[in-house]
Amino acid sequence: GQQVMQIPQYQHVQEGEDFTTYCNSSTTLSNIQWYKQRPGGHPVFLIQLVKSGEVKKQKRLTFQFGEAKKNSSLHITATQTTDVGTYFCAVQGAQKLVFGQGTRLTINP
Amino acid sequence: KAGVTQTPRYLIKTRGQQVTLSCSPISGHRSVSWYQQTPGQGLQFLFEYFSETQRNKGNFPGRFSGRQFSNSRSEMNVSTLELGDSALYLCASSLQIENTEAFFGQGTRLTVV
Repeated sequence: GQQVMQIPQYQHVQEGEDFTTYCNSSTTLSNIQWYKQRPGGHPVFLIQLVKSGEVKKQKRLTFQFGEAKKNSSLHITATQTTDVGTYFCAVQGAQKLVFGQGTRLTINP
Repeated sequence: KAGVTQTPRYLIKTRGQQVTLSCSPISGHRSVSWYQQTPGQGLQFLFEYFSETQRNKGNFPGRFSGRQFSNSRSEMNVSTLELGDSALYLCASSLQIENTEAFFGQGTRLTVV
């Protein structure tokens, strides 16, 4: 079945530093979604990427979809304490969304 | 527009008991999916329903079952609870079957003792 590898599993940064998480698939993806889950909360949709090489920005967050549509990244510039949480990528499997293992981001203020 | 509502929020059960969790999707959403979330395993897919039909099931034992009603509300049931069933159970609804964002409820935290 569809699988997606997400790295790193954990990332601890100083406030103000940048952060990047990566998702990789062995097969070509139709699209990829990103979600954020705050501690004690539930996953919340951030964005969906569809096109090869697509780059989308949401304030300090930059999302990229690889040219071959097999990988994606989420980059946060100048992290803030509000960025704390776990970031998941999700890809479409057979009648289901398949989630990566997530990258847990912690920030030292 | 009300979000996805899951009840109850917290539950403590004893091994061997059974439990039923409920999920009310966003109005107009006919697709409902269930996930089990544990610290070590991340978000594991349980099942997906669309228009009262289970379209896909994850790799979980038969003790896990679910259903969807004509108003799109969904329930999942776990029988003969085991300690390892302790987890956050998340329900997500979406407007379309595929390639659309999933809206998650706040989850039901199940603890089996």
